[in-house]
Amino acid sequence: DQQVKQNSPSLSVQEGRISILNCDYTNSMFDYFLWYKKYPAEGPTFLISISSIKDKNEDGRFTVFLNKSAKHLSLHIVPSQPGDSAVYFCAASARTGGSYIPTFGRGTSLIVHP
Amino acid sequence: EPEVTQTPSHQVTQMGQEVILRCVPISNHLYFYWYRQILGQKVEFLVSFYNNEISEKSEIFDDQFSVERPDGSNFTLKIRSTKLEDSAMYFCASSGSGTGGSYTQYFGPGTRLTVL
Repeated sequence: DQQVKQNSPSLSVQEGRISILNCDYTNSMFDYFLWYKKYPAEGPTFLISISSIKDKNEDGRFTVFLNKSAKHLSLHIVPSQPGDSAVYFCAASARTGGSYIPTFGRGTSLIVHP
Repeated sequence: EPEVTQTPSHQVTQMGQEVILRCVPISNHLYFYWYRQILGQKVEFLVSFYNNEISEKSEIFDDQFSVERPDGSNFTLKIRSTKLEDSAMYFCASSGSGTGGSYTQYFGPGTRLTVL
C-alpha cells in the first residue's frame, strides 16, 4: 500500500538547469510534507518541508509546491549543481500523537551532470 | 551543529543472535525513532518513543524488537533473535517538541545490519 509514491526512480539533469522531483500521495489526512536528501552510506538529511496550509515554500535553490486537490507535491531545484546528486525522498505525515510519523516514498535518484 | 550519532556503523551477526543498535539523539530533542531500509526499498518506520515509552509502532515492530533509553543520552534498538530478513540499514532519528519546524526528524548515519 503505497500511500506516498515517487513514480520516477531516477532523473538526470544538466548542471545549471532545473530539477523537478515529483511525489503523489493518497491519504487525505496527510497535512505535513517533507523532502529528504540521502547520500550513499549516510542517513536522510532534511531538506525542506511544507504544511498543508501553504502551497509553496522556498529555501534558497529549493522550492516545494503543494497541490492539495491533486494530492501532489514537487521539489524544484534551480539551478541544479553536481553536489545535488543524491536520492531524494518525499515524506508525508498526519498528526498522530504529536509525533508526526512520516510515510516515505521509495525515492528518486537525481544525477546532475557537469 | 548538533547531530544524531549511531554505533556501530556495520554489525554482522549470525541468525538467531541478539543485536543491540545504539543511538545518541540530539540532546534537546524529546521524540526518538527507529527506521529501517532494506536494500533497494523505501525507508520504513519501526517505532517512536516519547516520555520513556513507546508512542507508536508499526507492524514490523513485533515481539522480537524492543527499545530502551537506558540513560539520558542513549537510545537503543534490540533485536532478540535475528532473522535473515532483518538485514537492513537501521536509522535512528530524533525530533523536538512538535511546534513549528520541530516536527522535522533528524536522522543518524545508520547502522548496516547483516544477518548471516
